[in-house]
Amino acid sequence: GAVVSQHPSWVICKSGTSVKIECRSLDFQATTMFWYRQFPKQSLMLMATSNEGSKATYEQGVEKDKFLINHASLTLSTLTVTSAHPEDSSFYICSARDVSLSYNEQFFGPGTRLTVL
Amino acid sequence: GQNIDQPTEMTATEGAIVQINCTYQTSGFNGLFWYQQHAGEAPTFLSYNVLDGLEEKGRFSSFLSRSKGYSYLLLKELQMKDSASYLCASQDSNYQLIWGAGTKLIIKP
Repeated sequence: GAVVSQHPSWVICKSGTSVKIECRSLDFQATTMFWYRQFPKQSLMLMATSNEGSKATYEQGVEKDKFLINHASLTLSTLTVTSAHPEDSSFYICSARDVSLSYNEQFFGPGTRLTVL
Repeated sequence: GQNIDQPTEMTATEGAIVQINCTYQTSGFNGLFWYQQHAGEAPTFLSYNVLDGLEEKGRFSSFLSRSKGYSYLLLKELQMKDSASYLCASQDSNYQLIWGAGTKLIIKP
C-alpha cells in the first residue's frame, strides 16, 4: 500500500517557539493532504485540507495564522505551529489521498506528538 | 447535517465475534470507511464500502446499508492484538471524511 511519512515523530519545545511538521507521500502523488489533531481519548479532528499549489482550507475554529500549511509539491505538505503554547500539545496526523485510486482512500502518516512546555 | 454515531466502548472475549455498529448522516454520501487505531499510533485502513452489502476481508467484514445510513464492522476469531479503537468515517462528495468518535474494543482472554 501507499506510504506516508511524517517528520519528526515527536517534538518537545518551549512555549513561544515555532514547530514545523513535514508530511510526505513516498510512493504516490497526493494532490490533497489532510491535517488532523487528536487529543487523548478523542477522535480525529480535521484542521485543514491542503491542496497542492493553492491555499489550504481551514476548518471552523482553526486559526490559519497560527497553523501555517504549505503544500508546495505533490509529495510534500508542511504544518507549522507558530508561537506554540501548552494547549497546542497534541498528536498531529497527516493523511494523503492517492488520486489514482477509485475510492480515494486516505493514507495516514505515523503522526507527530507535540509537547509544548 | 453531518453526524456519525458509534458506541464508545465494547468488550469481547478472545476467539469470539464482535460487531461494531455505526450510523451516519452525511450530505453527498460518498462511501464509508473503517479504520483501526492502536493507542499512540495513526489510524490504519480496514475497509471501504460505497455499495450496499457485505465486504469480507479475512477475519474482518464490513457491511453498508445506504438507505438506513448504517454500517457495521464484524471481527471474527478475535485476537488480543485486536484490542484497539475502531473509527467509522463517512466520506462526502468533496472527499472529506467525517469521523466518528471511535469505539474502544477491549478483548479479554
